[in-house]
Amino acid sequence: DGGITQSPKYLFRKEGQNVTLSCEQNLNHDAMYWYRQDPGQGLRLIYYSQIVNDFQKGDIAEGYSVSREKKESFPLTVTSAQKNPTAFYLCASSLGGAGRANEQFFGPGTRLTVL
Amino acid sequence: SQQGEEDPQALSIQEGENATMNCSYKTSINNLQWYRQNSGRGLVHLILIRSNEREKHSGRLRVTLDTSKKSSSLLITASRAADTASYFCATDDNYGQNFVFGPGTRLSVLP
Repeated sequence: DGGITQSPKYLFRKEGQNVTLSCEQNLNHDAMYWYRQDPGQGLRLIYYSQIVNDFQKGDIAEGYSVSREKKESFPLTVTSAQKNPTAFYLCASSLGGAGRANEQFFGPGTRLTVL
Repeated sequence: SQQGEEDPQALSIQEGENATMNCSYKTSINNLQWYRQNSGRGLVHLILIRSNEREKHSGRLRVTLDTSKKSSSLLITASRAADTASYFCATDDNYGQNFVFGPGTRLSVLP
């Protein structure tokens, strides 16, 4: 089965702790993305990566970090510097490449709650 | 910076009626896409329209794009209760990167 997976589905964190959200895809996509969604809101781009070992900040990168050591994986770390991290986090992937019709495929999401 | 803005924010219709949602954006785009999200789930791609296209159909979906007005509309015909979801438009820049999603339209289809 080809697709994009995220784990865990639910995550609880104490204030002051870093936490890493997993995102894996077996679609052979070059591009991967992380979004944050707050209740009743749209998606805001945190980070994106067009190719292995390269990534760019999105609109709300402060307090987050990413790595792209493998094509299949794009983990997101929510650091203690993120002041309001409770949200629904969505990972997506696409073929990538300038000028292409880049449909995004989304994972099921991780709901992070800070206690 | 938010680019896509959907209108209305919420829409409630009876089963069998048509639903129309609009999206406006601010800068030039490469493509415009529509996605659907069921509550608490990931987004599912519905349809993509390129900047040089004006209309596209897929099953009960019809999308139009007016680049002079920087707007798009999504029409769902003969709606069903299963169409109840949030619908988002998304634009990417001329490099096919930096996707921007609007806040979405919450559609409720009443049986």
